[in-house]
Amino acid sequence: GAGVSQSPSNKVTEKGKDVELRCDPISGHTALYWYRQSLGQGLEFLIYFQGNSAPDKSGLPSDRFSAERTGGSVSTLTIQRTQQEDSAVYLCASSTQGGGYTFGSGTRLTVV
Amino acid sequence: AQKITQTQPGMFVQEKEAVTLDCTYDTSDPSYGLFWYKQPSSGEMIFLIYQGSYDQQNATEGRYSLNFQKARKSANLVISASQLGDSAMYFCAMREGLTSYGKLTFGQGTILTVHP
Repeated sequence: GAGVSQSPSNKVTEKGKDVELRCDPISGHTALYWYRQSLGQGLEFLIYFQGNSAPDKSGLPSDRFSAERTGGSVSTLTIQRTQQEDSAVYLCASSTQGGGYTFGSGTRLTVV
Repeated sequence: AQKITQTQPGMFVQEKEAVTLDCTYDTSDPSYGLFWYKQPSSGEMIFLIYQGSYDQQNATEGRYSLNFQKARKSANLVISASQLGDSAMYFCAMREGLTSYGKLTFGQGTILTVHP
């Protein structure tokens, strides 16, 4: 596609439920990144994929967070047993060799 | 350890004036890249300008220029002739290493408000 697509754009979930956030990167972009942005804050790195493997997952805050990428394309970020502190905007970006980073519009997650 | 520091939580500027947004960074890697992004209230991240650690010249893109002072580890963004549409959050970010891949580490951001 023309840009990085994220779905859903908004998600409200009850505390304790699992959620899945999806990122569809720009076609041909081999690198994919997940970030989290709390209200009025900077972007917190979560995980980076190169193809289907994750050479850097140092930013995942707990074992409730996991991510996978299949076919070198779509990625899913899963948060299990959501907590109120998980409420944030989750941003995905993709990049290619010699290119810059293109960000999606984000998924706003609200845990109630 | 904080690797990117933006010390100005908020900045105000008069329309048509120039403004400088501060950014300092910390890395032991001699190879790195520095980025500036704009985030309007809509939430999208808009790439503005890039400076590589080995670049001899300061980067410029239209009204944006990056004042790169390597010895001081600073990479300040200068916006000339401010416009009302420049009102947004601005983030400085760094990528370490030679590769053009890898995570960006972001600062906390500066909210710029342009007054008419």
